[in-house]
Amino acid sequence: SQTIHQWPATLVQPVGSPLSLECTVEGTSNPNLYWYRQAAGRGLQLLFYSVGIGQISSEVPQNLSASRPQDRQFILSSKKLLLSDSGFYLCAWSVLAVSTDTQYFGPGTRLTVL
Amino acid sequence: DAKTTQPNSMESNEEEPVHLPCNHSTISGTDYIHWYRQLPSQGPEYVIHGLTSNVNNRMASLAIAEDRKSSTLILHRATLRDAAVYYCILRESGSGNTGKLIFGQGTTLQVKP
Repeated sequence: SQTIHQWPATLVQPVGSPLSLECTVEGTSNPNLYWYRQAAGRGLQLLFYSVGIGQISSEVPQNLSASRPQDRQFILSSKKLLLSDSGFYLCAWSVLAVSTDTQYFGPGTRLTVL
Repeated sequence: DAKTTQPNSMESNEEEPVHLPCNHSTISGTDYIHWYRQLPSQGPEYVIHGLTSNVNNRMASLAIAEDRKSSTLILHRATLRDAAVYYCILRESGSGNTGKLIFGQGTTLQVKP
């Protein structure tokens, strides 16, 4: 069966510090991968998606970046965090099909920038 | 992008049916209607999806209007564990092979014992 892992589960970082969040998927090959952010009391905002190794598309201009060094690994990074980067970060995967391209979400990382 | 409109919040009593509406008047002929829900402090989870015909699964039923401009997610017997934010989403038309989903604000369902 497929599983998705995210770490860390919670993170408190000072403004201006770097960030690295990791997401890995097991039990599937060549998944589409996604990073979302949910600010407190808000909806989910798609940040990045990837359809293959090294292929990253950005949805929202920001100080974050994403990389996909391996087929089932997706990393979200920042060189200098801002207060506005606080939120709940979710990774998701899907295997594209005509209608059944369900997205499966990880447990998330709750980031607080102070 | 095709957009959806949902009520901000709804209330239900435990063990009663719940009908969660969604309007999508600009839906295109190839857009699938997906429903996800998000329990507190968790990532969203898939509930159900459909194209034209009504759909049933172990979690819920999806009723789709004949003109496809609206749909209704039906929880047949609400439990306290069904309290969540429910999102109605159209699979983005013309997304190619990306499978992107664009989440709106959803409907916050409160279930009272």
